[in-house]
Parts: sequence; C-alpha cells; structure tokens
Amino acid sequence: DQQVKQNSPSLSVQEGRISILNCDYTNSMFDYFLWYKKYPAEGPTFLISISSIKDKNEDGRFTVFLNKSAKHLSLHIVPSQPGDSAVYFCAAQGGSEKLVFGKGTKLTVNP
Amino acid sequence: DVKVTQSSRYLVKRTGEKVFLECVQDMDHENMFWYRQDPGLGLRLIYFSYDVKMKEKGDIPEGYSVSREKKERFSLILESASTNQTSMYLCASWRIGTALHFGNGTRLTVT
Repeated sequence: DQQVKQNSPSLSVQEGRISILNCDYTNSMFDYFLWYKKYPAEGPTFLISISSIKDKNEDGRFTVFLNKSAKHLSLHIVPSQPGDSAVYFCAAQGGSEKLVFGKGTKLTVNP
Repeated sequence: DVKVTQSSRYLVKRTGEKVFLECVQDMDHENMFWYRQDPGLGLRLIYFSYDVKMKEKGDIPEGYSVSREKKERFSLILESASTNQTSMYLCASWRIGTALHFGNGTRLTVT
C-alpha cells in the first residue's frame, strides 16, 4: 500500500507561471517531509523540507505547504523557469524510520 | 558537503553475470541505502544498512544482496543478472537529522 502518493505523473506549465506539485500521505506517524528534484542521468538532490510542527517553509522560489489534517503537502515554484524541468519526488519520514518516497511528478516548464 | 560516489555511471552486462555496484560516502554516515528508479515506479528501496556488517531488506530485495564491510562503502550485488534488473541504481547515505544524500546513479543495462 502506497503511503506517499503523487497522483499526477506529469505537469506542464509556462515559464514565469506558478508550478504546484501535490503529495498525499496516509501514515499519521510521518513528521518530516522532503522534496527532491531529479534530472535525467543524475541522482536526486534535496530541495526543501518541512517538519510537522510547521505549515509552511520557504526557500527562494520554492515554498512547501503542509496540511496535517488533510495529510497533504504541496510544493510551489514561482516563478517557474525552464531549468526547473525535472522529476520531483515527495518523501516522508516518521522518527528515525527510513524515508518513504512517492512515485514522482515530471515537471516540464515551457519557454 | 556530503559526497556519495558511485563507481560507474553506465554498465552493460549479460544475463547471468554477477554484477557489483560500488558506493562510497565521505561523511561518516551510519546509514546507507540502495534504490532503483524505473519510469512510473519512482524510487524503490532494495536494501539498506544501519551500520557496518548490518543489512536490512527493503521493498524489493529479490535478486540482490549487499555488503557493508566498511562504514564508508556499501556494495550492491546482482548474483545472476536478469533483463528485468535493467534500471537506474541510486546509492544514498544519511544521518538522523539530515536529508538523504544521493550519488549520481549507475545506469545498468542487462542484455
């Protein structure tokens, strides 16, 4: 059973607009959430994280929102740039347990 | 900055061959992981290790084994490679309180 779900396999947006990537989770023990970005032929790189005591975390153009009651988080990228085109993985963790990854969303930002 | 190095970027092996994928990290992390990434399936955990000589099965351990003789090195072994093991293999290391750090991946093709 998938504990972390990214229901959109792909997303396409225009340069300069906002990209919103969504992630849902089922395990209420998760207390730390991360987003990773992956370019083809490279390993995933850490992008941004949020702990369950917060509902928002910003880092430049990237903002992650956490809605604990809905067990939902989202990554906002604004403004989107062509270099943001990549696969984005949502991941969740509870305590010292290993990370659980979603299946990824492929973002394409069109010039 | 954490560096996770995978010895090969690309490998081509024949069915039935024994294959070794090597991974080294330089940050003294206790935990190391092997994932495979396939289109539409996301990142799937094969094996992980919490300490030297310790190993735990992940979600898809069948057809694989691992070796952790030294803290900095975690090897993935395909005892008898099969075509369904053609994939991108990603090694990662981690310490509690930090994000997972990935290597650049090994693209393995089994013919």
